[in-house]
Amino acid sequence: DAKTTQPPSMDCAEGRAANLPCNHSTISGNEYVYWYRQIHSQGPQYIIHGLKNNETNEMASLIITEDRKSSTLILPHATLRDTAVYYCIVRSFAGGTSYGKLTFGQGTILTVHP
Amino acid sequence: DAGVIQSPRHEVTEMGQEVTLRCKPISGHDYLFWYRQTMMRGLELLIYFNNNVPIDDSGMPEDRFSAKMPNASFSTLKIQPSEPRDSAVYFCASSFNWQGESPLHFGNGTRLTVT
Repeated sequence: DAKTTQPPSMDCAEGRAANLPCNHSTISGNEYVYWYRQIHSQGPQYIIHGLKNNETNEMASLIITEDRKSSTLILPHATLRDTAVYYCIVRSFAGGTSYGKLTFGQGTILTVHP
Repeated sequence: DAGVIQSPRHEVTEMGQEVTLRCKPISGHDYLFWYRQTMMRGLELLIYFNNNVPIDDSGMPEDRFSAKMPNASFSTLKIQPSEPRDSAVYFCASSFNWQGESPLHFGNGTRLTVT
């Protein structure tokens, strides 16, 4: 699986956009970019995923660079409840024992403050 | 939809005892995953199943750990004998036969403490 690199922590003011970067320079053509978050004591929560096009849903937007080597998760109007650990993961559908696995890194601790 | 259901939520046991963690995946999901989370090692994939068959168990730490999926609606993770270093939060997750597009849905975990 391609590895990802994320900043260990970020801060954001409530109501402002939170932009969380992720580098995945070794990503291959058969790997998706997934974002999850984990709020203390809960299971990881799915946010969004994409292959090469930008994606948007009710929670967030995902911007993937044209070369697919990096991406940015955007929370357009962060609230205090968005304080969590955010994980950027590349997920393979190439077959074999890597198929479908989600391998979590250390993530980014996002703190939203008033 | 009730989501992925794990039981118990908390388990406290003594070293040497057998521990069984349970998981009910979302109905219709073909894949089931077991993860373990600790402060030191983060979230680790232990094993995953496709259509009740184990696909990759390379993350299972040692022979004391075993996982089964007797049918599409139930899975267990067993530790025998348990040791203090097994203390962690264990998560179960499930997804459709995803073709790259189906996210994993996680349960709320079982917090295991081995004294």
